[in-house]
Amino acid sequence: DAKTTQPTSMDCAEGRAANLPCNHSTISGNEYVYWYRQIHSQGPQYIIHGLKNNETNEMASLIITEDRKSSTLILPHATLRDTAVYYCIVRISNSGYSTLTFGKGTMLLVSP
Amino acid sequence: DGGITQSPKYLFRKEGQNVTLSCEQNLNHDAMYWYRQDPGQGLRLIYYSQIVNDFQKGDIAEGYSVSREKKESFPLTVTSAQKNPTAFYLCASSIRQGGTEAFFGQGTRLTVV
Repeated sequence: DAKTTQPTSMDCAEGRAANLPCNHSTISGNEYVYWYRQIHSQGPQYIIHGLKNNETNEMASLIITEDRKSSTLILPHATLRDTAVYYCIVRISNSGYSTLTFGKGTMLLVSP
Repeated sequence: DGGITQSPKYLFRKEGQNVTLSCEQNLNHDAMYWYRQDPGQGLRLIYYSQIVNDFQKGDIAEGYSVSREKKESFPLTVTSAQKNPTAFYLCASSIRQGGTEAFFGQGTRLTVV
């Protein structure tokens, strides 16, 4: 699986958009980009995933660059409950039982 | 409601004792996983199972054992051979095919004293 690079931490004001970057310059053609988040002392929660097109769901939007070497997770209106560690993961296939490799992620702190 | 349940949430054991962590899912998922998380670190894969009666070692399997006798259950035993067992343990499951996400339990925090 390709390695990812994320900033260690980021701050965001409540109500503003949070844009979390991720670099995955060694991504290969059959690898998807997944985002999870982990609120303190809880299990990780799936947010969104994509291959090359931009994706949006009720939680967030995922923007993947044309060369697929980086992506950005966008939380359009961050709330205090969005404070969590966000993990960007590149997964070897779209197979359901492909394992996930978690790095240290980005600690997002949303402030009032 | 469908989901994945880990119990107990907190567990204390004396050094040298084996301890088994429970993980049950009613999502009808074929694949199940065990991860370990240390403070300030990401998750590391211990074991995973793609189907009943089959499982594979992950990156840090030494000192751990698992079984998969039922589709719904994937218990993890932390043995006395695990040198640093104190950690946060997370269980997850996913369907075998279809590209869906993994669902995680709420974790078990194991403290060995």
